[in-house]
Amino acid sequence: GAGVSQSPSNKVTEKGKDVELRCDPISGHTALYWYRQSLGQGLEFLIYFQGNSAPDKSGLPSDRFSAERTGGSVSTLTIQRTQQEDSAVYLCASSSTGTGAYEQYFGPGTRLTVT
Amino acid sequence: AQSVSQHNHHVILSEAASLELGCNYSYGGTVNLFWYVQYPGQHLQLLLKYFSGDPLVKGIKGFEAEFIKSKFSFNLRKPSVQWSDTAEYFCAVMGFGTASKLTFGTGTRLQVTL
Repeated sequence: GAGVSQSPSNKVTEKGKDVELRCDPISGHTALYWYRQSLGQGLEFLIYFQGNSAPDKSGLPSDRFSAERTGGSVSTLTIQRTQQEDSAVYLCASSSTGTGAYEQYFGPGTRLTVT
Repeated sequence: AQSVSQHNHHVILSEAASLELGCNYSYGGTVNLFWYVQYPGQHLQLLLKYFSGDPLVKGIKGFEAEFIKSKFSFNLRKPSVQWSDTAEYFCAVMGFGTASKLTFGTGTRLQVTL
């Protein structure tokens, strides 16, 4: 079946602009995660959604970052007033449950470049 | 808090050589452990995982890993690497009670030469 998809694949934006990154998880997966992959920082957890529960936002680096998940499916990660240090690959993953130890399936990522 | 340490940042091997990539984690409770692989130009894929039971787990493409609880380690091994194994390898831990989020190591870039 279809995997996790993300759009856009690449995004170049000017410092100070807002950006929205989209994630379509695997159909039926209740858990959705956002991670960031950057040089020098590796892969970092950002935010986690599980069903209708309040999201775990503990990994968001600043209040410029926010995410929502509509209808328990598609998720949007928004970065306001982008800074150069926000340049990274933003990865989305989904899994069939948020509890226990189920495999997270990753999307191809969105490469964000802030100029 | 949980953390993962991967000691080898860049490994270069000839084809048919044996591989062992180190991974140590820090977490005070029960863990689930993973190795992910990212081939050039591709997205992260699960190589293998440990949940419970036999501490020696086998994954795809001939890879295996051994969970040694006393050493907080989950090293990845392959007896004979191929050129197609050239990729970046990430060890990850998911601690019980951490809302299922993965904490990744910094990755090991493996380069296999012909």
